Amino acid sequence: GAGVSQSPRYKVAKRGQDVALRCDPISGHVSLFWYQQALGQGPEFLTYFQNEAQLDKSGLPSDRFFAERPEGSVSTLKIQRTQQEDSAVYLCASSLPRGQANEKLFFGSGTQLSVL
Amino acid sequence: AQSVSQHNHHVILSEAASLELGCNYSYGGTVNLFWYVQYPGQHLQLLLKYFSGDPLVKGIKGFEAEFIKSKFSFNLRKPSVQWSDTAEYFCAVNARTGFQKLVFGTGTRLLVSP
Repeated sequence: GAGVSQSPRYKVAKRGQDVALRCDPISGHVSLFWYQQALGQGPEFLTYFQNEAQLDKSGLPSDRFFAERPEGSVSTLKIQRTQQEDSAVYLCASSLPRGQANEKLFFGSGTQLSVL
Repeated sequence: AQSVSQHNHHVILSEAASLELGCNYSYGGTVNLFWYVQYPGQHLQLLLKYFSGDPLVKGIKGFEAEFIKSKFSFNLRKPSVQWSDTAEYFCAVNARTGFQKLVFGTGTRLLVSP
């Protein structure tokens, strides 16, 4: 597709429910990032993939958060046993491999997660 | 660890007024600097970026930013704002080497009244 696609656009979950958020990056983009954006805040880094390898997961807030990118394209962010504090917009971004000309992240529209 | 501070959380201007949004960063090494914009209902998109060379960089829609190394600042400017500039603006930084991970500031909401 022309841009980064995320689904669903909105997700409402009951506390304790598991959720899965999907990201389709731009074709050919090696790097994929997940960010969490709470209301009134800037995006906070969660995790980073280069192809299928998860090279940095230092931003994942707890072991309830898990991300995968098994074939190096589509990625899924899974949150187990959701809590109210997980309510946020989850952003996915992709880019070409690192290089000065490629230093630009393309963002999706995000998934707005509300945990009741 | 890198951090970014944006001091203005909300800015309200009239059309044709000049704009300057502050951004300061903290990092011990060499960085790349970015401004991203999010228009209402749209995704984040790159406004401009600085890697090296001329510290005054020009971006889309008449925006520019100046990197002042001694002040660890990368302020965004526009001489005359338009109603269509109403958006949220994020300053971001990443390390010149290593992973591309971007660290964002908390954002500045700009409202331009017609």
